[in-house]
Amino acid sequence: QKEVEQNSGPLSVPEGAIASLNCTYSDRGSQSFFWYRQYSGKSPELIMSIYSNGDKEDGRFTAQLNKASQYVSLLIRDSQPSDSATYLCAVKIQAGTALIFGKGTTLSVSS
Amino acid sequence: SQTIHQWPATLVQPVGSPLSLECTVEGTSNPNLYWYRQAAGRGLQLLFYSVGIGQISSEVPQNLSASRPQDRQFILSSKKLLLSDSGFYLCAWSGAANYGYTFGSGTRLTVV
Repeated sequence: QKEVEQNSGPLSVPEGAIASLNCTYSDRGSQSFFWYRQYSGKSPELIMSIYSNGDKEDGRFTAQLNKASQYVSLLIRDSQPSDSATYLCAVKIQAGTALIFGKGTTLSVSS
Repeated sequence: SQTIHQWPATLVQPVGSPLSLECTVEGTSNPNLYWYRQAAGRGLQLLFYSVGIGQISSEVPQNLSASRPQDRQFILSSKKLLLSDSGFYLCAWSGAANYGYTFGSGTRLTVV
């Protein structure tokens, strides 16, 4: 069974710190990787996508992918209270299949 | 730009009653469409996905069904709801094969 694993948290960081969120996946052939942010009671919002090994930066967000270790992470620099949410990791195993989501990590940023 | 509409936002239904949730996408053609469910304390569970009109793939055997009568319309149905059907139902669409999904605002269903 294809799995995406995340630490449920909560991960607590002070305002201005770097938050590091981690995700592992079971299928070595996975092709595409995504991070979603979900505020309480709301639907998930796509914030980052990454397809090849290495880092991808977008503003305060950096996604990191290591296919050999089957590991993807999300770094949030200069964390703000508005970043407090659940972050979902999602993996697409191959074209023609649907995304598989982890259960999410809850991030709490204190001011 | 593309938008996805999902309704109703909340729904309280008795056990054994029918269900119909509708999702429509605007601003794109031939989208891939998905229904997910998020139960309390659990992750997003894929229920159905569709790559075209009349083409439905089911991921989890249950008392739910899905239909795609038009290119940009996706409907989730049940003939008789169970208590275990309660949850947050999310419709999503995607374009090219490896793109991420855009979710609708969701329907919170409570079966009583």
